[in-house]
Amino acid sequence: EAGVAQSPRYKIIEKRQSVAFWCNPISGHATLYWYQQILGQGPKLLIQFQNNGVVDDSQLPKDRFSAERLKGVDSTLKIQPAKLEDSAVYLCASSYRSPGQGSYEQYFGPGTRLTVT
Amino acid sequence: AQSVAQPEDQVNVAEGNPLTVKCTYSVSGNPYLFWYVQYPNRGLQFLLKYITGDNLVKGSYGFEAEFNKSQTSFHLKKPSALVSDSALYFCAVRDRNAGNMLTFGGGTRLMVKP
Repeated sequence: EAGVAQSPRYKIIEKRQSVAFWCNPISGHATLYWYQQILGQGPKLLIQFQNNGVVDDSQLPKDRFSAERLKGVDSTLKIQPAKLEDSAVYLCASSYRSPGQGSYEQYFGPGTRLTVT
Repeated sequence: AQSVAQPEDQVNVAEGNPLTVKCTYSVSGNPYLFWYVQYPNRGLQFLLKYITGDNLVKGSYGFEAEFNKSQTSFHLKKPSALVSDSALYFCAVRDRNAGNMLTFGGGTRLMVKP
């Protein structure tokens, strides 16, 4: 079974530029998550999708971050414009079970390491 | 609000010795609890989870964790550490009665020395 795919693996941009990350979840996984992991910290959830609908985006800085999952499969996370404090690893994860339908574990991709200079 | 505390930034243990990585949590309801491991330049890998039932949960690579409701803890353990166990370990909690968010602790770096 193929895992969660993410691209690019690394990205360096200057502040105020834009950047986009792509994620393809495990086949059949309805739920997709984007996390931000700042160096030395645990992952923090940015947004959660169930199929192509947003379940939770309460921690997404909506003035500069946006995400979509138009066809309910792969997803794109965008930052525009980037700030220095956005430097982090952006992790995508997916899970099979829908929220509220019981326990589930999330499967993570390798992440995209973003450096904003 | 739910939260997770991993009180040790780093745990050092000699190969062959038992290891414990500590985790305490706070939720308003009943928790789902998880342990994940992260190797350098890789995403998080699921180790084990507590949902209900037996307080001792067994997971991948010989790891286990004990759920203690009275102490609100979910410590990760292994009877005999391997050098290859050296990695970053994250505890996570979800309140099964209050939303969908999984909250992670800050992580504990495990160093196993030969």
